[in-house]
Amino acid sequence: EVVLTQAPGTLSLSPGQRATLSCRASQDITSRYLAWYQQRVGQAPRLLIHGVSNRATGIPDRFSGGGSGTDFTLTISRLEPEDFAVYYCQQHHISLSFGGGTKVEIK
Amino acid sequence: QLQLHGSGPGLVKPSETLSLTCTVSGGSMNIDNIYWGWIRQSPGEGLQWLGAVFHDGSAYYNPSLKSRVVMAVDTSRNQFSLKLNSLTAADTSTYFCARHAGYGDPYLNYFSFYMDVWGEGTTVTVSS
Repeated sequence: EVVLTQAPGTLSLSPGQRATLSCRASQDITSRYLAWYQQRVGQAPRLLIHGVSNRATGIPDRFSGGGSGTDFTLTISRLEPEDFAVYYCQQHHISLSFGGGTKVEIK
Repeated sequence: QLQLHGSGPGLVKPSETLSLTCTVSGGSMNIDNIYWGWIRQSPGEGLQWLGAVFHDGSAYYNPSLKSRVVMAVDTSRNQFSLKLNSLTAADTSTYFCARHAGYGDPYLNYFSFYMDVWGEGTTVTVSS
């Protein structure tokens, strides 16, 4: 089983600031099989990034993903009010699993 | 615009079987490299993938729940379903149906999916 560890658990930032979220896998998941999701309060998750760095349809370019092997990042270049939410990474190289999430909250 | 809408009972008793249905609108279910599945989220917790099914009925399950889960598809009604048996309080969750993009090989039991369209979620409580 691949365990995904997300850090930090909570990120306190102000609108306009840059957010960098980490996702570390317990084993190599290559450079293809990682996705990121955003979940706002009371809503279903929404796909942001697939294939490590490919933005899903309609996702603004302030969201970007990168990494390979075991270390991956999601970057939000300038936080907008609607970006304050919980973010999950998900791997699909060996079965399928999610990270525990990072909450991005308003400072 | 593709939409998914889950439905089912909000309250079920321990030891019983949960049955949920997801109705797909605004698009076809019969597409290569598209699967249909379920993810759940316990109150205040993270996400757990349950499984997915192809339009030909081939299914892939989370190994930790495989003995309790059955998924099926009915493309004539644009629906797919989840059955989860032997319920306990630990199964109390919000259940999301979602379209899965990716690939599955039923002979190798290999699969690789991410979820690109989600339904709004159905809250299920297991309690007597």
